[in-house]
Amino acid sequence: RKEVEQDPGPFNVPEGATVAFNCTYSNSASQSFFWYRQDCRKEPKLLMSVYSSGNEDGRFTAQLNRASQYISLLIRDSKLSDSATYLCVVNDPGGSYIPTFGRGTSLIVHP
Amino acid sequence: DAGVTQSPTHLIKTRGQQVTLRCSPISGHKSVSWYQQVLGQGPQFIFQYYEKEERGRGNFPDRFSARQFPNYSSELNVNALLLGDSALYLCASSLAGDGLRGYTFGSGTRLTVV
Repeated sequence: RKEVEQDPGPFNVPEGATVAFNCTYSNSASQSFFWYRQDCRKEPKLLMSVYSSGNEDGRFTAQLNRASQYISLLIRDSKLSDSATYLCVVNDPGGSYIPTFGRGTSLIVHP
Repeated sequence: DAGVTQSPTHLIKTRGQQVTLRCSPISGHKSVSWYQQVLGQGPQFIFQYYEKEERGRGNFPDRFSARQFPNYSSELNVNALLLGDSALYLCASSLAGDGLRGYTFGSGTRLTVV
């Protein structure tokens, strides 16, 4: 079983739609979680951290479910500019806090 | 403020050659991590350095090595290049290497091995 799993998609949605991605992780001791956005042939950029209580940043909402070991990202009112790959990142403990990336979920928002 | 800078941006090498990639972290950041990203996959962890010491190593062969300098910049070396080493190599900078506030990536070095 991979440490961090994501559905690669692509998710094709019309502008204005609401879309949600999930990401599962295997290490129950994982301590911090993030969503990154990566545009084609560009570097990943931090989108938001994921807190235990859930957090919201404008149209984006991130949730953490420790019992089921997954995190989610909800995008409301999708824009064309949201088209990108969304990478789930999990930091594992053990002294070195090496972040492990999922393979990413591709989102395509069409007019 | 300069972000994470990587050089070169693109590189073409032949099989068997050696390559050195360079990274300068954000000013004040003491940790540098290196990742390899092949098309269609997420970044795969190679090395992490903090205060010039190796703090983590991913599942890569000994052909891959790295180091961090007193000014916190870093180099990644790959010897005896294989076609499969063709990828985007990303450097990530963080304040303390604990990852609790996420990482900032450079724009990467795109390596092509022919």
